[in-house]
Amino acid sequence: AQKITQTQPGMFVQEKEAVTLDCTYDTSDQSYGLFWYKQPSSGEMIFLIYQGSYDEQNATEGRYSLNFQKARKSANLVISASQLGDSAMYFCAMRETGGSEKLVFGKGTKLTVNP
Amino acid sequence: NAGVMQNPRHLVRRRGQEARLRCSPVKGHSHVYWYRQLPEEGLKFMVYLQKENIIDESGMPKERFSAEFPKEGPSILRIQQVVRGDSAAYFCASSPIDQGKRPQHFGDGTRLSIL
Repeated sequence: AQKITQTQPGMFVQEKEAVTLDCTYDTSDQSYGLFWYKQPSSGEMIFLIYQGSYDEQNATEGRYSLNFQKARKSANLVISASQLGDSAMYFCAMRETGGSEKLVFGKGTKLTVNP
Repeated sequence: NAGVMQNPRHLVRRRGQEARLRCSPVKGHSHVYWYRQLPEEGLKFMVYLQKENIIDESGMPKERFSAEFPKEGPSILRIQQVVRGDSAAYFCASSPIDQGKRPQHFGDGTRLSIL
């Protein structure tokens, strides 16, 4: 069964600094997708970034980048130049390909950006 | 274009009552997923539906919970005889037929509180 592990329940970062949120995954599939979602205190789920298992380059979306290390089964999210509005819960998720393509989520990391 | 619409945003029920949660997918999306988020947890898959068909209900509790996605109208998640443990945020997500690299689009969720 697929599993996502986020080992950091909470992280703190100073405004304008970079922060890395860890995510490791376990799957026997060769083809899969990895996602990061942000959940602010208002509760909605906001898609941030996607990495496919066959993508050769690390994904980037603005201030977000994904440090994908396939051999180590890790997909860490890097947020550069943190802003106060980045304070939120961050969830790593994996989508199985084939079958129902449902998402499997980690337990999340609560990021607090300090001024 | 409207995103995934869920209603109500908040729902309060007494133990033993029924709860009905509605989800209108993104226009043109034929796949709907329901997830449940308990406090301090990540989202957990419940059920995957296509129009008029339940494709994967491996995450649904065996009793009291049901879901449908009729030919016309929104998808409905129904919880009969609610108990305190059903208190959670319920999220709906939709996707097109071929997800590829695209993320599932989430609604803002329904927060269910059981008195």
